[in-house]
Amino acid sequence: QLQLQESGPGLVKSSETLSLTCTVSGGSISSITDYWGWFRQPPGKGLEWVGSINYSGTTYYNPSLKSRVTMSVDTSANQFSLRLTSVTAADTAVYYCARDVASTRGAGQFVNWFDPWGQGTLVTVSS
Amino acid sequence: EIVLTQSPVTLSVSPGERATLSCRASQSVSSYLAWYQQKPGQAPRLLIYDTINRATGIPARFSGSGSGTDFTLTINSLEPEDFAVYYCQQRGYFGPGTRVDTK
Repeated sequence: QLQLQESGPGLVKSSETLSLTCTVSGGSISSITDYWGWFRQPPGKGLEWVGSINYSGTTYYNPSLKSRVTMSVDTSANQFSLRLTSVTAADTAVYYCARDVASTRGAGQFVNWFDPWGQGTLVTVSS
Repeated sequence: EIVLTQSPVTLSVSPGERATLSCRASQSVSSYLAWYQQKPGQAPRLLIYDTINRATGIPARFSGSGSGTDFTLTINSLEPEDFAVYYCQQRGYFGPGTRVDTK
């Protein structure tokens, strides 16, 4: 069964760059139909989608974070990664990765859902 | 931008009772809405996609309905493990969540 696992530093200094990797097992990241997404959840708050990428490197990002986000994919390692620049305390959150099951339906409507999810990793931004 | 509003914020229910959770979209999302369950310290889990379809392994007591801008997640005969926070989602947008706790 498909499983995802986040990895990366748990502590990042303010103004620096947050870098995380998600390793996919039990399936191929090169699936033509799938995207792969990053999410975050500040302590005690709700979920926020950060962005998604597919096997060929096509990305789509949350407009509110787009200027600071870069995602990349390494199909040979079955991994995809997130870089978030110029972090502040507001970027402190549990970061999750998940498969983004995306498709286009009638009238060109974009549809997606996220499944499965990794267990998440807490990233704290320190001053 | 789509804004998803969930109500109530907190729902207090006794085990064995039915819980009805609402999600309202700021514009029509047709029938393309998903629901997730999140327990403390755990990742979200997909429950429902395309408004009515249960994800793999999700018990039949979970059901979804709605279309356009108004959607409902119903949990029949709540089990102890169902007390959690529930989020609706469409595209890259999540609702703020409804917490289901024990009455």
